[in-house]
Amino acid sequence: SQQGEEDPQALSIQEGENATMNCSYKTSINNLQWYRQNSGRGLVHLILIRSNEREKHSGRLRVTLDTSKKSSSLLITASRAADTASYFCATVRGSNYKLTFGKGTLLTVNP
Amino acid sequence: GAVVSQHPSWVICKSGTSVKIECRSLDFQATTMFWYRQFPKQSLMLMATSNEGSKATYEQGVEKDKFLINHASLTLSTLTVTSAHPEDSSFYICSARMTSENIQYFGAGTRLSVL
Repeated sequence: SQQGEEDPQALSIQEGENATMNCSYKTSINNLQWYRQNSGRGLVHLILIRSNEREKHSGRLRVTLDTSKKSSSLLITASRAADTASYFCATVRGSNYKLTFGKGTLLTVNP
Repeated sequence: GAVVSQHPSWVICKSGTSVKIECRSLDFQATTMFWYRQFPKQSLMLMATSNEGSKATYEQGVEKDKFLINHASLTLSTLTVTSAHPEDSSFYICSARMTSENIQYFGAGTRLSVL
């Protein structure tokens, strides 16, 4: 089964608006991470939240984790055109450090 | 931040030839590197975990003899696609994990087109 499913699959907003992306997973996790991928490029790590944490901030990013619902959300505030990219959540189970990626959300920020 | 270099970024080859992709951690030592495959507009699928000085661990369904992985040093892992065919055309991405962290640092990816 798919571990890590993001919704929406695609999101289009205007510059300055906030963007919220959600991620659900099926099994218990060690931590959950969010990555960003610009078209045709590698991934950039954004933020890691551990299973015993509920919320984390980094600049304009805010991540929440609800282990009872097995879900996480990524909020980007005051979006910019440069935030246009695909965003993936990835879960880590146990201690093997393997990432299991969701299908991603394609965010388009219109200037 | 940590930098991972992946080379080449784009390769076109004829069917039946082999292609080698390099993944280097430039400013840190990576005991573990990972190789992923990504189809257009889809997620990343883990192909194998590469540990320095030992055999790679392949995910279910990934052919070991097709995708040869060598991790000869703490800063270099290579993926060789042997006898490539058009169905092997894809975007291949490597990542490296710093020993002290849970984060993976990704290369920029290699787009392989097999004619």
